[in-house]
Order: sequence, then structure tokens, then C-alpha cells
Amino acid sequence: DSGVTQTPKHLITATGQRVTLRCSPRSGDLSVYWYQQSLDQGLQFLIQYYNGEERAKGNILERFSAQQFPDLHSELNLSSLELGDSALYFCASSTRTPGELFFGEGSRLTVL
Amino acid sequence: DQQVKQNSPSLSVQEGRISILNCDYTNSMFDYFLWYKKYPAEGPTFLISISSIKDKNEDGRFTVFLNKSAKHLSLHIVPSQPGDSAVYFCAGARGAGSYQLTFGKGTKLSVIP
Repeated sequence: DSGVTQTPKHLITATGQRVTLRCSPRSGDLSVYWYQQSLDQGLQFLIQYYNGEERAKGNILERFSAQQFPDLHSELNLSSLELGDSALYFCASSTRTPGELFFGEGSRLTVL
Repeated sequence: DQQVKQNSPSLSVQEGRISILNCDYTNSMFDYFLWYKKYPAEGPTFLISISSIKDKNEDGRFTVFLNKSAKHLSLHIVPSQPGDSAVYFCAGARGAGSYQLTFGKGTKLSVIP
């Protein structure tokens, strides 16, 4: 158990819809990272938040947005969904070891 | 542009033998390299890392080798156990405090009893 909690575990929706994925980092961790794992692209860094503020952006589409709330949980909002957005979305917390992340179990999004 | 490449999608190894997973990278600015392991229906878990200033790091049955001139790293698992069967991801990180990892697409290791 990584201590990182993600909901929902599975989500099926239609093209053009909007969904929200939720993440609670490990207790006391101020950072949240979002990664996307799609079939053809592997794991890709999307965005990082630290104590409520955006710290870094990766390959995140303009249709996607995220935020981190005062209680440190984070939400990833995906809108105008396309078939290609079907993927596993992982949230992670960082540790003191460079590069070491604790990942949640992921939210599997299927867009039909 | 794929900065981290794992050219073998899958690998099968007999239990007790050595598993060697390979990874190539193109970005010379990576400061750390990491290996993550992923079981089905779980998130990736950190396995081992190596700083770009080292050429070897060992942790129990797992050893990572880095060849900077060839921009190549490998993960050795000795001896391989059935519980090692998983997808292994190689990743690079730029900056000592960076957690923005660039991952390869993974290699699925199957250890046959």
C-alpha cells in the first residue's frame, strides 16, 4: 500500500464528456504528480502541484486541468473527452530519494 | 522524440537464472535513472536508482549498470524468482530534486518456474 488513494478506480464515459479524477497523497506529503499511461505512449508526466500551487507542467493537453486543494487532495479534470484519452491515470507522492515516487493504483478511464 | 527506450517489449527467463533488462536514452541531461516495477492492477513501485555519476548500484538481487558513453543502462536480477514477473519501466530524471520522470514503455518480464 503506497498510501496514495485514487478514485474512481474505473470510469467509462462517452466522447465529449467531462470527468474528474481524485487523488489523496500520502499523509504529510505536499506534492502531487499526475501521470498518464496510454497503450502507445507509456507513462507520461502531466503536471505537478506543491502545497496548492502548480510547480511543473509536462505533456498535459489544454482540455485537461488540475488543482490541489488546501487539504492537499488533488483533482484532475478531463473535458471534451476523445477516444484517445482512454488511459490509466496515476497520481503520485514524492519521497526524499531523488526520482522515487509512490504511485496510487490508478484510475482507468475508458472513453467510448 | 522518445528520450528513454526499452526495445524489448517482453522477456522470459527461467527461475534461478539472471534477468537482464535493457534501456537506452538520448537525453544527456538526465541526472538520475530509475527502475520501477508494475504488477497488474497496481501502480508502479520504485525498485532501484542510480546517479549519473556512478556506473553501478546494487540492492540485494537487483543491480543497475550505467554506461554513459553508450547512453545505456541495464537492470540485472539474480537469481530471478517467479514473483519478479511484472512490467519493468526504466526512467530518467533531470535535476537532483526532480520527480518529473521520463519513462520508457516498459518490458514485461516473465519468470518461468
